[in-house]
Amino acid sequence: DVKVTQSSRYLVKRTGEKVFLECVQDMDHENMFWYRQDPGLGLRLIYFSYDVKMKEKGDIPEGYSVSREKKERFSLILESASTNQTSMYLCASSPPGKDGYTFGSGTRLTVV
Amino acid sequence: EDQVTQSPEALRLQEGESSSLNCSYTVSGLRGLFWYRQDPGKGPEFLFTLYSAGEEKEKERLKATLTKKESFLHITAPKPEDSATYLCAVQENSGYALNFGKGTSLLVTP
Repeated sequence: DVKVTQSSRYLVKRTGEKVFLECVQDMDHENMFWYRQDPGLGLRLIYFSYDVKMKEKGDIPEGYSVSREKKERFSLILESASTNQTSMYLCASSPPGKDGYTFGSGTRLTVV
Repeated sequence: EDQVTQSPEALRLQEGESSSLNCSYTVSGLRGLFWYRQDPGKGPEFLFTLYSAGEEKEKERLKATLTKKESFLHITAPKPEDSATYLCAVQENSGYALNFGKGTSLLVTP
């Protein structure tokens, strides 16, 4: 069964810490995405990548960066965590073309 | 202005009571419209992709339809296990990413 695996289900970090969220897919997909999901706001795109070492900003990239050194791995980095980054973070991947995403289970991040 | 609007925000049904969820969208060129199901604390699970007006897809008690301006997710004789949030998303011809609506939270009571 194809999978997108996010390294942590729950994470608690302190304000100002540098935070790494890891995502690995085993489907050889070119495209990978990071979303955050908040009540009342839905899923909002942070960054995406359509190839190794390629990245594009989504709708809300401020305070975040990404890294894609290998095709299967896409990391989201919170440079200096703030309380307004407390959220559910969802990683997804897709092949090129028309097929939809496969999502990971999500990481619930709390910044205190 | 939102590209994707889902209604209602929340829906409560009795087991066996059929209904429909709506997803209206505004894009210049539609590559695909997607429906997902999301259970609490989990990632969205893919249900359907629709590519052109008039297309329909079915899976168990769910049927998705598409027009040029909206999509419907029809739920026939729902069961409590159909309780979840249903998300609609669109992908434009010009883009890689999916643009999601805020979802409809469905509760089916016995």
